[in-house]
Amino acid sequence: EDQVTQSPEALRLQEGESSSLNCSYTVSGLRGLFWYRQDPGKGPEFLFTLYSAGEEKEKERLKATLTKKESFLHITAPKPEDSATYLCAVQAPGNQFYFGTGTSLTVIP
Amino acid sequence: GAGVSQSPSNKVTEKGKDVELRCDPISGHTALYWYRQRLGQGLEFLIYFQGNSAPDKSGLPSDRFSAERTGESVSTLTIQRTQQEDSAVYLCAGGRSLQETQYFGPGTRLLVL
Repeated sequence: EDQVTQSPEALRLQEGESSSLNCSYTVSGLRGLFWYRQDPGKGPEFLFTLYSAGEEKEKERLKATLTKKESFLHITAPKPEDSATYLCAVQAPGNQFYFGTGTSLTVIP
Repeated sequence: GAGVSQSPSNKVTEKGKDVELRCDPISGHTALYWYRQRLGQGLEFLIYFQGNSAPDKSGLPSDRFSAERTGESVSTLTIQRTQQEDSAVYLCAGGRSLQETQYFGPGTRLLVL
């Protein structure tokens, strides 16, 4: 049973072309939703934590939002250095983390 | 060091051999998680430790897998009688508590021939 589903699996954008990544989840009693960035051959790097519906967090060109069923990672005017795999994870009431399979983002100069 | 370290960075072993993977968390991080990441798949939770409490082993895929941690220091993940399906990247992550941000190490890439 999938707990976390990310879409699209892959996304190619032109530099400056804004878009959004989706993370939908079925975990009840969500303790937190986390976004990470993962570069090839490296461990995930923390971006944001969201705890309640309606919450938003921003960092440079990235903005994360949360509803009761899903989260969006908005990328505004992306640059080639934003190319990476973006992972979403939810923390369940038992403190386990469930990760999605990620969205592979490529930003073309 | 300033970050989470893992060793070895790469490990190639033969089917049936035992392997031990090591994680050095950031000092003061009482929570420690182990994950497995197979090629093209998401991170799979294996086990977590929180201080001196009993670990949550609910994610370990079989009794060939075990992990230990003494206090808030180094953790080791042991895989006995390795199988080819154990080939994956094994990641550890630490945090100040179970509810706080996790900081990941670079992973150990395990290949079982």
